[in-house]
Amino acid sequence: QVQLQESGPGLVKPSGTLSLTCAVSGVSISSSSWWTWVRQPPGKGLEWIGEMNHRGSTNHNPSLKSRVTISIDKSKNQFSLKVSSVTAADTAVYYCARGERRYDSSGYYLDAFDIWGQGTMVTVSS
Amino acid sequence: EIVLTQSPDTLSLSPGERATLSCRASQSVSSTYLAWYQQKPGQAPRLLIYGASTRATGIPDRFSGSGSGTDFTLSISRLEPDDFAVYYCQQYDGSKYTFGQGTKLEIK
Repeated sequence: QVQLQESGPGLVKPSGTLSLTCAVSGVSISSSSWWTWVRQPPGKGLEWIGEMNHRGSTNHNPSLKSRVTISIDKSKNQFSLKVSSVTAADTAVYYCARGERRYDSSGYYLDAFDIWGQGTMVTVSS
Repeated sequence: EIVLTQSPDTLSLSPGERATLSCRASQSVSSTYLAWYQQKPGQAPRLLIYGASTRATGIPDRFSGSGSGTDFTLSISRLEPDDFAVYYCQQYDGSKYTFGQGTKLEIK
């Protein structure tokens, strides 16, 4: 089955760059999906960061856009997130997810995040 | 930006009861792009409902979604102990996804 697994440093210094990778298994990253990052500060709700498809098209949350880079490595079947100039406000659990935009087997349109990684905690602190 | 406001913040019910969770949007949302997720402590969110009313794969029919425009509802009939969690609604407006702040469903 499709699985996603995040990895990366759990501690990043203020003003540094947060870098995470999401390994995808069970499906090709070159499929029609949108590969997505979502974060959740401790005790708070969910925030969409951005997404990328295998053609290289990207969409980002305007509140983060200038600091965020999402990329795909087809050879490794994984995708990555970089957030620059981090502050304590970027401390969160970071999730990777698969975004689907397609018709399901019953003809209903699916636009949602149907598979999620387990999440990885990133703390911004000196 | 479309803001989603969920109510109540916390809902206290007993197993076997029916839960009704509300999600109100600051402007009209296409039903096609309204989803609901369940999140348990220490776990990733799980997709429950998409297209406002279509259950995701493996989701029991005790879960149902409804609504249109600015008002959407997630209903859970006959609550089971495993249903007590935080629930989020989500929308897509063509350029950005946003989530509601969540409703915590707790055991009374």
